Amino acid sequence: DAGVTQSPTHLIKTRGQQVTLRCSPKSGHDTVSWYQQALGQGPQFIFQYYEEEERQRGNFPDRFSGHQFPNYSSELNVNALLLGDSALYLCASSFHRDGPGNEQFFGPGTRLTVL
Amino acid sequence: AQSVTQLGSHVSVSEGALVLLRCNYSSSVPPYLFWYVQYPNQGLQLLLKYTTGATLVKGINGFEAEFKKSETSFHLTKPSAHMSDAAEYFCAVTMNSGGSNYKLTFGKGTLLTVNP
Repeated sequence: DAGVTQSPTHLIKTRGQQVTLRCSPKSGHDTVSWYQQALGQGPQFIFQYYEEEERQRGNFPDRFSGHQFPNYSSELNVNALLLGDSALYLCASSFHRDGPGNEQFFGPGTRLTVL
Repeated sequence: AQSVTQLGSHVSVSEGALVLLRCNYSSSVPPYLFWYVQYPNQGLQLLLKYTTGATLVKGINGFEAEFKKSETSFHLTKPSAHMSDAAEYFCAVTMNSGGSNYKLTFGKGTLLTVNP
């Protein structure tokens, strides 16, 4: 089992550009959540996808959007990048029927640097 | 609404000493509580979790935590620190809001250093 995988590992963009990050969930999982972890901070919830729909959203602007594919993999898109978008972006997967006590499995993250 | 406060952004202990990392939570309904560990340049790994039942939960690598409802706390402990425990530790909370999708709310983290 490969676990949760994310690509790319690192990314450097300039202000105003757009970026797409990718995530493949752990085998058997159908729900993908995205988190932003700024330097020295805890992860902050961006949004969650299940059945190819956004189910919950954190306090992030519309510049942050996502997609989930039929194979449960997911993309995070960020438009009009700002310097403040520089962070580690973490993807987590889970199985929706496991309930609130289920473990969310995290990928290694994508380190985004905006110059 | 739910929130987590981790007291102490940095904790330093000697190898073999007790590790105590503090976490207090706020939740409008009974919470589900988690401790995750993050090693440098890696994702998060679950150490332990509290859902229901026994309030003292044991996790991996000799860590345990006790859920105290009256104190709204979920402190993480380990009797004897090892050099390999040096990492960042995050406390997180979620709650059963009746739906089927659960977001985690994390604290700001506590960096644990272990001195030889």
